[in-house]
Amino acid sequence: SQTIHQWPATLVQPVGSPLSLECTVEGTSNPNLYWYRQAAGRGLQLLFYSVGIGQISSEVPQNLSASRPQDRQFILSSKKLLLSDSGFYLCAWRHPPLPFEAFFGQGTRLTVV
Amino acid sequence: GIQVEQSPPDLILQEGANSTLRCNFSDSVNNLQWFHQNPWGQLINLFYIPSGTKQNGRLSATTVATERYSLLYISSSQTTDSGVYFCAVVDQAGTALIFGKGTTLSVSS
Repeated sequence: SQTIHQWPATLVQPVGSPLSLECTVEGTSNPNLYWYRQAAGRGLQLLFYSVGIGQISSEVPQNLSASRPQDRQFILSSKKLLLSDSGFYLCAWRHPPLPFEAFFGQGTRLTVV
Repeated sequence: GIQVEQSPPDLILQEGANSTLRCNFSDSVNNLQWFHQNPWGQLINLFYIPSGTKQNGRLSATTVATERYSLLYISSSQTTDSGVYFCAVVDQAGTALIFGKGTTLSVSS
């Protein structure tokens, strides 16, 4: 069966520090991978998605970047964090064309201080 | 891009009551999912329902793709049903999963 791992679960970082969040999927190949951010009390905003190694699409211009160095690994990064980067970050995968159903990781709660 | 609207934004119920949550989308979709976000933030898959009707215990969902809406029914609500319910669709390119803003449900005993 397929599983998705996301870490760390919680992170407190100072303003101006770098960020690296990692997401890996097991039990499937060539998945579509997604990074979402959820601000407190808000909906989910799509940040990046990837349909293959090295292929990254950005939905919203921001202080973040994403990379996919391996088929089942998706990394969210920042060189210098801003206070506004605080939020709940979720990674997801789905396997096109079937099944279309998307599955989410446990999320990382990032607080920038 | 495709727009997803959920209503109502907030819903307060007494335990045992029934409720209907609605999701409208602005364009044709080839995927629609309902999720429940629990108090710890985890997104729980409820239904994958691009069309038709499905039921799982006290929950059921119906999607009328031709009229661009989906409904989530919760019967005999329990306090554990509290949380945020999201509907999400895949756009016509078949890649980006776009979420509505959610319905926050509070069930009190």
